[in-house]
Amino acid sequence: SQKIEQNSEALNIQEGKTATLTCNYTNYSPAYLQWYRQDPGRGPVFLLLIRENEKEKRKERLKVTFDTTLKQSLFHITASQPADSATYLCALVETDKLIFGTGTRLQVFP
Amino acid sequence: DTGVSQDPRHKITKRGQNVTFRCDPISEHNRLYWYRQTLGQGPEFLTYFQNEAQLEKSRLLSDRFSAERPKGSFSTLEIQRTEQGDSAMYLCASSRQAANTGELFFGEGSRLTVL
Repeated sequence: SQKIEQNSEALNIQEGKTATLTCNYTNYSPAYLQWYRQDPGRGPVFLLLIRENEKEKRKERLKVTFDTTLKQSLFHITASQPADSATYLCALVETDKLIFGTGTRLQVFP
Repeated sequence: DTGVSQDPRHKITKRGQNVTFRCDPISEHNRLYWYRQTLGQGPEFLTYFQNEAQLEKSRLLSDRFSAERPKGSFSTLEIQRTEQGDSAMYLCASSRQAANTGELFFGEGSRLTVL
């Protein structure tokens, strides 16, 4: 079955910098990959979906890339703000359900 | 669109007791998913429904867990004879389409603590 790896260590960056989070998967390349944000004690919230033929997708300050050769997706937040502090989850489809990585906690400090 | 709602938000129970969680999905969504999440981990898939049909159940789900979705509307997740290892956040999500073509809308979760 698919295994998803996200950096379990928290990422600490200064406000205004670009945060880059990594998602690696081990087996077949999925047709779609999704990113979610989760705040403590809350359910995940959908951010972006990228298809395997899109390579890159943007939404406001967010950018996601999808490299099926490297089996990797990168998630970027430009001009980061303290309000961006949260856990970011990568998710892939496996037999019509989403499976999630462990998430990476992002802390943006002033 | 009132979002996905889950009840109760918190449940504390003693080992060996039964608990039931309820999920009300977004009304026009025909897919409903249950996940479990423990501290520091991502959501772990438990089971999902398309309308009233339960289409897949995780191999990790023991026989003490059962889920239903009568009439394809709300869903319940029951855990019988709870164990301390069942302590987790139970998340419900719904979608209009299959997971690989659309986003999942999650509820705020039901946090279970088994003493």
